[in-house]
Amino acid sequence: DTGVSQNPRHKITKRGQNVTFRCDPISEHNRLYWYRQTLGQGPEFLTYFQNEAQLEKSRLLSDRFSAERPKGSFSTLEIQRTEQGDSAMYLCASSLAAGNIQYFGAGTRLSVL
Amino acid sequence: AQTVTQSQPEMSVQEAETVTLSCTYDTSESDYYLFWYKQPPSRQMILVIRQEAYKQQNATENRFSVNFQKAAKSFSLKISDSQLGDAAMYFCAYRRPSGTYKYIFGTGTRLKVLA
Repeated sequence: DTGVSQNPRHKITKRGQNVTFRCDPISEHNRLYWYRQTLGQGPEFLTYFQNEAQLEKSRLLSDRFSAERPKGSFSTLEIQRTEQGDSAMYLCASSLAAGNIQYFGAGTRLSVL
Repeated sequence: AQTVTQSQPEMSVQEAETVTLSCTYDTSESDYYLFWYKQPPSRQMILVIRQEAYKQQNATENRFSVNFQKAAKSFSLKISDSQLGDAAMYFCAYRRPSGTYKYIFGTGTRLKVLA
């Protein structure tokens, strides 16, 4: 059990560029979550996968955001045409289908200049 | 909609002393789960303790315990014999018993431990 892995740990980009983050969950975990954490706030739910199916998306996830989880393994979160307001820590978490504990990765910190 | 409130942005405690972090929540549901997570600087959040709402007994994990008051919708975390390694952001979280199982987090409390 190597835990939830997120890459890259830090990403600096210019406004208008596209960025993609990757999350590798704990291997046997069926559920995968993305959260966004801005300075001084707690994490906010973005989206959730059960296996490869994306079952819920928050209203925070504008049409510039897209997430995938091909084959129910790793997941990617892409932000197109980044804006300064997208600067945040993006957290990934995974859990067993029948469990209720989410295990978090260390996050990807995005800075949009 | 459910909400979670942590009214203490920052707390300090002397090493070896006891500190209590506050959390209140709002929900119309009778069954749910509550969690405390610890987020050390630049490291991943880890679960400290969890409480099922249907259980009246307060959860305990070594030096960490909770005071769960369901009627008051209060869920405080007590850390006994505080250690330097306890310094971190602490987040209270709520989760429904079904559906997406997404967490709703409070804004966090930064705990400083003074040597």
